[in-house]
Amino acid sequence: GQNIDQPTEMTATEGAIVQINCTYQTSGFNGLFWYQQHAGEAPTFLSYNVLDGLEEKGRFSSFLSRSKGYSYLLLKELQMKDSASYLCAVKDSNYQLIWGAGTKLIIKP
Amino acid sequence: GAVVSQHPSWVICKSGTSVKIECRSLDFQATTMFWYRQFPKQSLMLMATSNEGSKATYEQGVEKDKFLINHASLTLSTLTVTSAHPEDSSFYICSARDVMQGDNQPQHFGDGTRLSIL
Repeated sequence: GQNIDQPTEMTATEGAIVQINCTYQTSGFNGLFWYQQHAGEAPTFLSYNVLDGLEEKGRFSSFLSRSKGYSYLLLKELQMKDSASYLCAVKDSNYQLIWGAGTKLIIKP
Repeated sequence: GAVVSQHPSWVICKSGTSVKIECRSLDFQATTMFWYRQFPKQSLMLMATSNEGSKATYEQGVEKDKFLINHASLTLSTLTVTSAHPEDSSFYICSARDVMQGDNQPQHFGDGTRLSIL
């Protein structure tokens, strides 16, 4: 079956750095997405990786290793507004999005 | 660009009522729209894929007669929850992909509809 694993919850301190990991086992691979979702709101797109390596976008970076079935989202200079759930999603061989359960990130002052 | 409008944002109604939720792509055309359901503290669950001009593709376990999907144009899909009951209370979210963009582009999400059945 298809499976995406993320930690359920993480806690970090304002101003610090946090890394949210995602491992996947899917039938084929056509890209990996990271979304941010604040409570009660719809997800918003953060990043997309299809080739191995690091994609940097401001305070957020996303890394992919296809051979390891692994990605991480790195958040720097954490702000209180970064408290949210972070969803990892993989597009399989049929271009269907397979969603992880999300990681709830709690930022403490 | 790539704005998806979902309406209504909140619905509170009595058990047995049918509720229609609209999803519109405002500045792009979407041959495919997706309907998700999300229960509290859980991840998104894909309910169905809505295809313009044809029948929707439902995920396993989702009742077609319960959740009616119509995708009559390239900018509008509707989800009707028929004879809603309290267990149908959830957060329903639609998303769409720009037909002009490749498969590597993200889905654009509506703001969601919070449905509460009393």
